[in-house]
Amino acid sequence: DQQVKQNSPSLSVQEGRISILNCDYTNSMFDYFLWYKKYPAEGPTFLISISSIKDKNEDGRFTVFLNKSAKHLSLHIVPSQPGDSAVYFCAASGPSGTYKYIFGTGTRLKVLA
Amino acid sequence: DTAVSQTPKYLVTQMGNDKSIKCEQNLGHDTMYWYKQDSKKFLKIMFSYNNKELIINETVPNRFSPKSPDKAHLNLHINSLELGDSAVYFCASSHGTHSPLHFGNGTRLTVT
Repeated sequence: DQQVKQNSPSLSVQEGRISILNCDYTNSMFDYFLWYKKYPAEGPTFLISISSIKDKNEDGRFTVFLNKSAKHLSLHIVPSQPGDSAVYFCAASGPSGTYKYIFGTGTRLKVLA
Repeated sequence: DTAVSQTPKYLVTQMGNDKSIKCEQNLGHDTMYWYKQDSKKFLKIMFSYNNKELIINETVPNRFSPKSPDKAHLNLHINSLELGDSAVYFCASSHGTHSPLHFGNGTRLTVT
């Protein structure tokens, strides 16, 4: 029972364009969402998070959008750079007080120079 | 100044052996975790400790035993290793709930 799903295993984008990574979840009790980037042979690195009381959070080139009614979140990277090529994981946690973070299966992003 | 460090980075061993993976964090976090990334790249939580107390214990064989001697350390001991234990094991820490996990660089365990 995969509660957090990333249905696109891979995505290719031209340098300078927008990258949009998607994530769906099934548990309506989730109230905190995160995105991580992972390079080979390294641990996942935290990128950006969003609480369920918001629908958007921005940090530089990274923006996360949350659509609670659709149980969907997305990560926008603008402009995409070759160094952004990595595997991106979304994760969810909740309800408040829960320590368990559930991860999606990842999307491999390739930014083409 | 590594925030979350795990040792060893690679571990190759034979079936039936017992091995340990060590993890230390210098972030002052009160919660530490072990995650397993299997061959399908799923990141699955195994255990979590908060202030040295076990708070999450997923359906993991009891051959796996975590130990937290203090808030900054969480070790994972695995008895009677099996082929299916081959995976990358990640340690992580966080400051309570609803805060980002900080991961170590993983330990790639290969059981032959």
